[in-house]
Amino acid sequence: AQKVTQAQTEISVVEKEDVTLDCVYETRDTTYYLFWYKQPPSGELVFLIRRNSFDEQNEISGRYSWNFQKSTSSFNFTITASQVVDSAVYFCALSEESSGGGADGLTFGKGTHLIIQP
Amino acid sequence: EAGVVQSPRYKIIEKKQPVAFWCNPISGHNTLYWYLQNLGQGPELLIRYENEEAVDDSQLPKDRFSAERLKGVDSTLKIQPAELGDSAVYLCASSMSPGQGDSNEQFFGPGTRLTVL
Repeated sequence: AQKVTQAQTEISVVEKEDVTLDCVYETRDTTYYLFWYKQPPSGELVFLIRRNSFDEQNEISGRYSWNFQKSTSSFNFTITASQVVDSAVYFCALSEESSGGGADGLTFGKGTHLIIQP
Repeated sequence: EAGVVQSPRYKIIEKKQPVAFWCNPISGHNTLYWYLQNLGQGPELLIRYENEEAVDDSQLPKDRFSAERLKGVDSTLKIQPAELGDSAVYLCASSMSPGQGDSNEQFFGPGTRLTVL
């Protein structure tokens, strides 16, 4: 069975600091997908990124970057020069490929509550 | 393009009462998911539909929870009777099916926040 662990329950930093959110996953499948979602106080889940298991290239999108390492089963998320608007709960998630193709439902970690102080 | 629509956004009921949540997925998305999110936790899958067929309902507590997607479009999740521990946010998501396009990205609705008194 798959599992996602986000060991950091809450992180608090001062604006403009860099911050890294950790994510460790477990799966027996060779084909799987990793995701990060942001959940602001409004409650809606906002998709940030998806990575498939065959693509270990790191990705950068503006102030956001992701480090995928299969050797350590980790998919960490870094925010550079954090801003108050980045305050939210961030979820890492995993899905495996279903037998009929496509993806199973997502298995989420418990989330990391990120607080950016002005 | 409209996103995933859920209603109601908020619901307060007394324990032992029935309650139903409605979801309309993104147009053309054949795959629909219902998730439960308890306070301070990540969402947990309850059921997944491919068109009108429930292909994974292994996590749905079938003694009191039921779901349907009769025409393969919108879906209803029901709890009868509700218990205090059912207080949570119920999220609906949709995605394309294999062959339609990118089937691995799920789009979430705003959720229904249920409070059972």
